[in-house]
Amino acid sequence: AQKVTQAQTEISVVEKEDVTLDCVYETRDTTYYLFWYKQPPSGELVFLIRRNSFDEQNEISGRYSWNFQKSTSSFNFTITASQVVDSAVYFCAFFPNAGNNRKLIWGLGTSLAVNP
Amino acid sequence: DAGITQSPRHKVTETGTPVTLRCHQTENHRYMYWYRQDPGHGLRLIHYSYGVKDTDKGEVSDGYSVSRSKTEDFLLTLESATSSQTSVYFCAISPGGGRADTQYFGPGTRLTVL
Repeated sequence: AQKVTQAQTEISVVEKEDVTLDCVYETRDTTYYLFWYKQPPSGELVFLIRRNSFDEQNEISGRYSWNFQKSTSSFNFTITASQVVDSAVYFCAFFPNAGNNRKLIWGLGTSLAVNP
Repeated sequence: DAGITQSPRHKVTETGTPVTLRCHQTENHRYMYWYRQDPGHGLRLIHYSYGVKDTDKGEVSDGYSVSRSKTEDFLLTLESATSSQTSVYFCAISPGGGRADTQYFGPGTRLTVL
C-alpha cells in the first residue's frame, strides 16, 4: 500500500533556529511525484514544491530547502533561520504517476510553531 | 494564485437538511476535487471530476454526491447532513494532462451540522 508518514506531529522552535520536517513515503512505483503544502493559521492550503522521482537534486528556494533521497524514500523539508510567519501546518503528499489514478496521498501534517 | 472560489465560506445547518457547496474556477482546469479536513485525519478525498459530467469517488464518498455541468463549477451535495459531516471542505483544481500535476486549493468552507 502507498503511504506517507510525517512522524513529527508538532515541532516548536525559537525564531532563527533551523528546523527540518520529515516525510517518508512507501511505494512500489518507480515514477511518482512528491509535494509539500503549507497551511497557515488562516486556513488556506498553499502549494510549496513538486518533485519528480527522477530528479533527486536538492532544491533551495530562499530559506526553504528540500532533500529528496530515493534510497531512503524520504523527502525532507528544511527551513533555515525560521521566522514567526513560518508557523503553520506542513503537509507532505505523494502522487503515483502510474495509470489513471489522480489521487494525492497525504501525510497527516506537522504543526510547526515558531516562537519569538 | 489559481482562481478558485468556494461558497459559502461558512455555514451552519441542522441535521437532516440538504446542503450544497459550490466550487468555482476561472482557470479552465480539467480536474476538480473535493476534500474534507478533520483533526487527526488530515485531508481526505471525497469525490473528484475529470471533466464535465465525469466524476469518481474518493475514499470518503458515502453521504456525498457531486455534479459538474460546466467546466468551471463543481458542486458537492450532502443530501441529508449529519453531525459527522461537520468539517472544513476544500476544493482543489489541477490542469490534468499526461503527467501528474499540482493541485491548487480554494479557501475552504467551514460547515457545522448541529
